[in-house]
Amino acid sequence: SQQGEEDPQALSIQEGENATMNCSYKTSINNLQWYRQNSGRGLVHLILIRSNEREKHSGRLRVTLDTSKKSSSLLITASRAADTASYFCATDEVLRDTGRRALTFGSGTRLQVQP
Amino acid sequence: NAGVTQTPKFQVLKTGQSMTLQCAQDMNHNSMYWYRQDPGMGLRLIYYSASEGTTDKGEVPNGYNVSRLNKREFSLRLESAAPSQTSVYFCASSGWEERYEQYFGPGTRLTVT
Repeated sequence: SQQGEEDPQALSIQEGENATMNCSYKTSINNLQWYRQNSGRGLVHLILIRSNEREKHSGRLRVTLDTSKKSSSLLITASRAADTASYFCATDEVLRDTGRRALTFGSGTRLQVQP
Repeated sequence: NAGVTQTPKFQVLKTGQSMTLQCAQDMNHNSMYWYRQDPGMGLRLIYYSASEGTTDKGEVPNGYNVSRLNKREFSLRLESAAPSQTSVYFCASSGWEERYEQYFGPGTRLTVT
């Protein structure tokens, strides 16, 4: 089962515009992470926000977390063609059968930034 | 540092054949993971190893086995490949528990005919 679900599934914008992607999840989490995947490549970690944090910034990235609504958003400001990629949220949960922590990934948002 | 490396990059198997996907990390991470990614989907956890000497099933373990050979290496074996195992396989590792960010390899694209 997938914990995080991104919205929209696909997003196309012009260079210089802002891109906003949303993630919703179902159960309690310790943290939520965002990853980026360029076509044909592995995932790259972008940012982690803990459950007691509401907002975090890293360069042109801004992540918010609303635990009451079980949702997060990723904002990329002043987008560039090089930001074209798929973006995934991942939630950190404890697996019931093993008691161990694991990440659960959503199905991703495909972002296309037109030059 | 090379980070996380995977071999091979591409593989084509016939139904019923076996193969082992290799993964190694040079970041001294305790935890390692195997995921599969199917078109239009996120990653699904196959197996993971929280530390050297331990392995646990993830969401989709059927048809796979793993070996945590040492702290650096974590291999994934398909004993009898099936077309449903056609996918891209990613290995990842993570270090300190409180950081828990994962570092991914470049992936192995596997086709089973």
